[in-house]
Amino acid sequence: NAGVTQTPKFQVLKTGQSMTLQCAQDMNHNSMYWYRQDPGMGLRLIYYSASEGTTDKGEVPNGYNVSRLNKREFSLRLESAAPSQTSVYFCASKRDRAQETQYFGPGTRLLVL
Amino acid sequence: DAKTTQPPSMDCAEGRAANLPCNHSTISGNEYVYWYRQIHSQGPQYIIHGLKNNETNEMASLIITEDRKSSTLILPHATLRDTAVYYCIVSDLNFGNEKLTFGTGTRLTIIP
Repeated sequence: NAGVTQTPKFQVLKTGQSMTLQCAQDMNHNSMYWYRQDPGMGLRLIYYSASEGTTDKGEVPNGYNVSRLNKREFSLRLESAAPSQTSVYFCASKRDRAQETQYFGPGTRLLVL
Repeated sequence: DAKTTQPPSMDCAEGRAANLPCNHSTISGNEYVYWYRQIHSQGPQYIIHGLKNNETNEMASLIITEDRKSSTLILPHATLRDTAVYYCIVSDLNFGNEKLTFGTGTRLTIIP
């Protein structure tokens, strides 16, 4: 049982390039989340998916798109990366909307030059 | 979500109890208090949560004041591996609010 996994662990992009961050969970959770964490700051919610087939904007959605591919997988896409998107990205999941606890992945460190 | 206030940093001697305070004076009746920690830029790790009663699990104890305006996370016998940033979060996740709002937390350093 790996919990929440994220790929890649680290990525360097040039301004304007695109990429997709992958997240998968093997806990049969319904809800999944994408957060970003900038240096010295707390986490901010980008997008979330309360259940398969639904997605909603969080606090800082601009410049990102998401896809809930199936129950296990929730991807985050940067269509045209900007230096302001340099950050550490964390994926999280929880069993369902009524559960209190979110479980986090190890993070993807993204540097946009 | 209610706002929380935590000290930016604390030190604690190894083997002693670490007591981390959190103020949440605007907490509403539906909101739980959650504690997470983040060790050296890893993903945040859930520690404990509570509504109004004190709670204890294998990691920590959570003491919530009777008026629910503040709480204390207690790590009973701190070890070097407990050095981390600790986040106190107030949210009503179980009522459909999806967002955990992370502030800047308390950086706890365990001193050998």
